[in-house]
Amino acid sequence: AQTVTQSQPEMSVQEAETVTLSCTYDTSESDYYLFWYKQPPSRQMILVIRQEAYKQQNATENRFSVNFQKAAKSFSLKISDSQLGDAAMYFCAYRSAGAQKLVFGQGTRLTINP
Amino acid sequence: ETGVTQTPRHLVMGMTNKKSLKCEQHLGHNAMYWYKQSAKKPLELMFVYSLEERVENNSVPSRFSPECPNSSHLFLHLHTLQPEDSALYLCASSHPRVGSSYNSPLHFGNGTRLTVT
Repeated sequence: AQTVTQSQPEMSVQEAETVTLSCTYDTSESDYYLFWYKQPPSRQMILVIRQEAYKQQNATENRFSVNFQKAAKSFSLKISDSQLGDAAMYFCAYRSAGAQKLVFGQGTRLTINP
Repeated sequence: ETGVTQTPRHLVMGMTNKKSLKCEQHLGHNAMYWYKQSAKKPLELMFVYSLEERVENNSVPSRFSPECPNSSHLFLHLHTLQPEDSALYLCASSHPRVGSSYNSPLHFGNGTRLTVT
């Protein structure tokens, strides 16, 4: 079974600085998808960014980018120019190609210091 | 408007009560999910429905009973729950009807905060 590990329960960063959240996963498959979700106090899980395993190029979405290292099974999220609205729980998630379910990590609580 | 609506937002129930959680999606998706989110634990997948058929059931106790009458609605019927069932229950949907792709992300509702007393 696939597992996703987020080793940082909590992180904090100064506003306007850059922070990196780590995620590793365990799988024997070669075709899969990876996601980062954000859960603010409103509780809704919001997709931040996604990456297809067959793509070598790292995904970017405005201030959010990933460092996808397939051989190392690592998928970190970098947030540049951190804003107060970025404060939330961040979840890394894995989905096998052809599978319905999403497997989540334990989450990292990100605090932005003004 | 999230596209996925869950009701109620909060629910307090006794262990002998019967209640239902409701989820509705307006995104044209054909798969719907129930996840349980407990403090300090990863999200746990409970049920997956695809085209109104249950395709996954992760050893969930029978006191949780899902129902998917059509591709837009999903229910979770609750009866004789235990205090450890207190959690945030999240509904999600995915996969457009046309051009389905498995990298299609899940779209979540705001969840129902359930407290069992």
